[in-house]
Amino acid sequence: KAGVTQTPRYLIKTRGQQVTLSCSPISGHRSVSWYQQTPGQGLQFLFEYFSETQRNKGNFPGRFSGRQFSNSRSEMNVSTLELGDSALYLCASSLGISGQIYNEQFFGPGTRLTVL
Amino acid sequence: AQSVTQPDIHITVSEGASLELRCNYSYGATPYLFWYVQSPGQGLQLLLKYFSGDTLVQGIKGFEAEFKRSQSSFNLRKPSVHWSDAAEYFCAVGARGGATNKLIFGTGTLLAVQP
Repeated sequence: KAGVTQTPRYLIKTRGQQVTLSCSPISGHRSVSWYQQTPGQGLQFLFEYFSETQRNKGNFPGRFSGRQFSNSRSEMNVSTLELGDSALYLCASSLGISGQIYNEQFFGPGTRLTVL
Repeated sequence: AQSVTQPDIHITVSEGASLELRCNYSYGATPYLFWYVQSPGQGLQLLLKYFSGDTLVQGIKGFEAEFKRSQSSFNLRKPSVHWSDAAEYFCAVGARGGATNKLIFGTGTLLAVQP
């Protein structure tokens, strides 16, 4: 079974631009979470989607948004990029089975975003 | 508020030596606890997890961790380190209850292995 895939793997953007990152979860997984990883702040939770609905959101500005499609694929968008948005963005998928308290998350390799 | 502390930013051990990576958490009840490993340029791989029951849990690659409620700790151990274990290790907690898989991570411990 294929793992979590993220595209693109690397991106270079300039300040003020916007960017869209994509995540394809493991087949059958319905929950997708996004994390930002930086040397200064470590791994921080961005948001989580389940069945096309955002069910949890981290403490990030409104410039960060996401969505999930009916096939469980997810995208996150960052508008008006700032230098501080340079980071590794990780996506994780899980089964999200209703009634199961916790579902193991499987992480993708990440998208390395550099903002110049 | 939930939080995870990994006091050691960087650790160097000799190949074949034992290893212990420290993790302390702050949570109102017993959380779900995890250890992940990240190799350069890679995502996170789950080493082991604790949900309930036996407080000593076994994971992949010969790692184990012990949950100590009285110390709010979940330290990772390996009896004999291999050069391939050089990586960054993250401890994480997941909230119990509610419909969320959100994880809160520690700042990570970078492990270097000397030949």
